[in-house]
Amino acid sequence: LAKTTQPISMDSYEGQEVNITCSHNNIATNDYITWYQQFPSQGPRFIIQGYKTKVTNEVASLFIPADRKSSTLSLPRVSLSDTAVYYCLVGGNQGGKLIFGQGTELSVKP
Amino acid sequence: DAGVTQSPTHLIKTRGQQVTLRCSPKSGHDTVSWYQQALGQGPQFIFQYYEEEERQRGNFPDRFSGHQFPNYSSELNVNALLLGDSALYLCASSLRGGRHYEQYFGPGTRLTVT
Repeated sequence: LAKTTQPISMDSYEGQEVNITCSHNNIATNDYITWYQQFPSQGPRFIIQGYKTKVTNEVASLFIPADRKSSTLSLPRVSLSDTAVYYCLVGGNQGGKLIFGQGTELSVKP
Repeated sequence: DAGVTQSPTHLIKTRGQQVTLRCSPKSGHDTVSWYQQALGQGPQFIFQYYEEEERQRGNFPDRFSGHQFPNYSSELNVNALLLGDSALYLCASSLRGGRHYEQYFGPGTRLTVT
């Protein structure tokens, strides 16, 4: 399974756009890129998934360049409630085990 | 539509004891996975159940065992507890053939071993 590398922590202020980049140099052809969000004392929550180019939903956008060796999760106009740990996962096994790294701890300040 | 539920919320056990954690999957889901999350770390996959059988297993000793019932609910059992077993235990459910890598997590059970 492709290993991912992402920053350990990031700080931001309310109203700013936050971009979290994940490197996955060994991504395989059939791998998808998935991001989860985890608040303290809660289970992770699926937020977005993509294969290539750009995906947008009501929560975030996911940018994937043509070589797919990295991806960027974009959170528009963050609020204090976006303070959480964000995990980047790479894999293609439907329903299979999720491999989590350490994630990026995002702290949003007023 | 009920989400994933887990019980108990918190649990304190002594070294050497045994513990059973319970999980009810999201309505309509047929697959249950269990994860262990130590403080400050990402969740680590323990095993996955589908059709009442263990289908995949992570790098955990045989002290960790599980079960899935006909109604898709599941149990995680840990025998001969060690201090290092203290963690948040997460249950996640999914639908076989569903979206890649999309699992719904419960709130977890916080296990403390003293």
